[in-house]
Amino acid sequence: QSALTQPRSVSGSPGQSVTISCTGTSSDVGAYDFVSWYQQHPGKAPKLMIYDVNKRPSGVPDRFSGSKSGNTASLTISGLQAEDEADYYCSPYAGRYIWMFGGGTRLTVL
Amino acid sequence: QVQLVQSGAEVKKPGASVRVSCKASGYTFRDYYMHWVRQAPGQGLEWMGVINPSGGGTWYAQKFQGRLTLTRDTSTSTVHLDLSNLRSEDTAVYYCARPRDTSGFDFWGQGSLVTVSS
Repeated sequence: QSALTQPRSVSGSPGQSVTISCTGTSSDVGAYDFVSWYQQHPGKAPKLMIYDVNKRPSGVPDRFSGSKSGNTASLTISGLQAEDEADYYCSPYAGRYIWMFGGGTRLTVL
Repeated sequence: QVQLVQSGAEVKKPGASVRVSCKASGYTFRDYYMHWVRQAPGQGLEWMGVINPSGGGTWYAQKFQGRLTLTRDTSTSTVHLDLSNLRSEDTAVYYCARPRDTSGFDFWGQGSLVTVSS
């Protein structure tokens, strides 16, 4: 399976918006509308924030939104809050029951 | 409520095998596939494989073909991960994760630390 590319780090001030990209290929991100995003705080299990490209599980604030264009998926966090500081991972379906994870992006709230 | 409870930490020597178990409760076990994801210290998440608890079918990431075996016991609602020929690079926290109907893993086990060291 090919690698997925995420920026290693992004940062923003409280109240600002940040976008994290996840670039794959036409065989994974571009092929299916099955991209999910996870938030992980240190020492904790990942938490699902977005599924099916742009859907939010119940309990996830609407400050979190997802989108996709071609082979790149994106997670946007608006109205940054201190508790948003964490690692974020994208995860697309790659077909034939195979899933992938991006390398992860560290979000710093300044 | 959905719960995934994993087995405890393990310490293994290089070349050995390890079994990590994940007991599910709070839902119909056969209705949802179960995935395994690992995370080496300071590293990112890595998808390993998935099992269909209903029929037992399994699918593995290419990287783990030949070393990874996923099984299930429907009588105890438990899935097992067996990883053989361990090397130091297999030191990681191993998670089981239950997916939603389409995409997204919305329930996770607490993680099981496997340490491979001579």
